[in-house]
Amino acid sequence: SQELEQSPQSLIVQEGKNLTINCTSSKTLYGLYWYKQKYGEGLIFLMMLQKGGEEKSHEKITAKLDEKKQQSSLHITASQPSHAGIYLCGAETPGGTYKYIFGTGTRLKVLA
Amino acid sequence: DAGVIQSPRHEVTEMGQEVTLRCKPISGHDYLFWYRQTMMRGLELLIYFNNNVPIDDSGMPEDRFSAKMPNASFSTLKIQPSEPRDSAVYFCASRAAAYEQYFGPGTRLTVT
Repeated sequence: SQELEQSPQSLIVQEGKNLTINCTSSKTLYGLYWYKQKYGEGLIFLMMLQKGGEEKSHEKITAKLDEKKQQSSLHITASQPSHAGIYLCGAETPGGTYKYIFGTGTRLKVLA
Repeated sequence: DAGVIQSPRHEVTEMGQEVTLRCKPISGHDYLFWYRQTMMRGLELLIYFNNNVPIDDSGMPEDRFSAKMPNASFSTLKIQPSEPRDSAVYFCASRAAAYEQYFGPGTRLTVT
């Protein structure tokens, strides 16, 4: 079965610093989704990547999917306290089932 | 649109009691998903529906769990009887085909 591994598990950075979160799949990804979760709340959709080499940006967050479609990275530029939370990558399982699996999450804390 | 609506937001019950969690998906979305999130196991898919029909319930942990979707705007997840190990945050999500999932705020269940 397909698994998603995220690294690091947790991250503490000073406000203004850049950071990167990685998501590695045991199998080829057919749709990679990034979500953000704040404590006690639901997941907020950030970005979706489907094509090898694809890169998307929204405000100060950039996500990339490698050419082999087995690894994705999420990069935050000039982090702010509002970026704090848990970041999860999710992927569709192959076969058009519309089922997702999720990574274990990366807990980000940004110090003001 | 108000997004995915879940109720109650918090539920505290005693072991052995029946618990019913409720979800209203986003109008027009034809897929509905129920997830469970714990520290130990992360985010797990329990069951999902397409056009009100259960498609895959392989993630439902035991016969004590059941889910229904009587119409396009309402779904329930029932646990009977509840046990302390069922304590978790339960999320409902919906999506239109081939698009990202939108999550509700979750129901935090505590079974004592």
